[in-house]
Amino acid sequence: AQTVTQSQPEMSVQEAETVTLSCTYDTSESDYYLFWYKQPPSRQMILVIRQEAYKQQNATENRFSVNFQKAAKSFSLKISDSQLGDAAMYFCASSTGTASKLTFGTGTRLQVTL
Amino acid sequence: KAGVTQTPRYLIKTRGQQVTLSCSPISGHRSVSWYQQTPGQGLQFLFEYFSETQRNKGNFPGRFSGRQFSNSRSEMNVSTLELGDSALYLCASSLTDSMNTEAFFGQGTRLTVV
Repeated sequence: AQTVTQSQPEMSVQEAETVTLSCTYDTSESDYYLFWYKQPPSRQMILVIRQEAYKQQNATENRFSVNFQKAAKSFSLKISDSQLGDAAMYFCASSTGTASKLTFGTGTRLQVTL
Repeated sequence: KAGVTQTPRYLIKTRGQQVTLSCSPISGHRSVSWYQQTPGQGLQFLFEYFSETQRNKGNFPGRFSGRQFSNSRSEMNVSTLELGDSALYLCASSLTDSMNTEAFFGQGTRLTVV
């Protein structure tokens, strides 16, 4: 069984600053993917970034990057140059076996202030 | 390209009734999965379909069922509704059932049971 834990229910960041959202996971599988999804008030889940467990290099997508520590089973998301549009719920998730069977964390609500 | 379409967007049902929710995946996508999102339990996997076959099922009672048609559209049904079934039901589609394929989410159906 997989578990995903997000210990920060809420975070706040000033516009243009950097924020890091934490996530830890547990799985007995050797091959798996990790994801960060964003859920704005519109409720639609949007993929922010993903990381394959076999890849050593941390994934990066524009202002979003991850710090993947496989031994520690940690997968944090760093958002640089935060923008008002980044305000949303952020979910960390993992998958093994199939693309669409995702295990989600409880989410972190990110506020972006002026 | 149209995204994942879920209908209806909002639904109010009475306890004891049954309900059917619909999900039309992105054209060409063959895998569809369903999730239940509640404030108390978070995002929980319901089931996954690929090429009309149920591949995985989450830990939900038998009142929750689903199916996938030959055009990949999927429906989920909940019978004998309970107040606790009130939730946002999210559908996701992916091109294949492979783990490295991105899952795209619809905007969800908000079900309220009264």
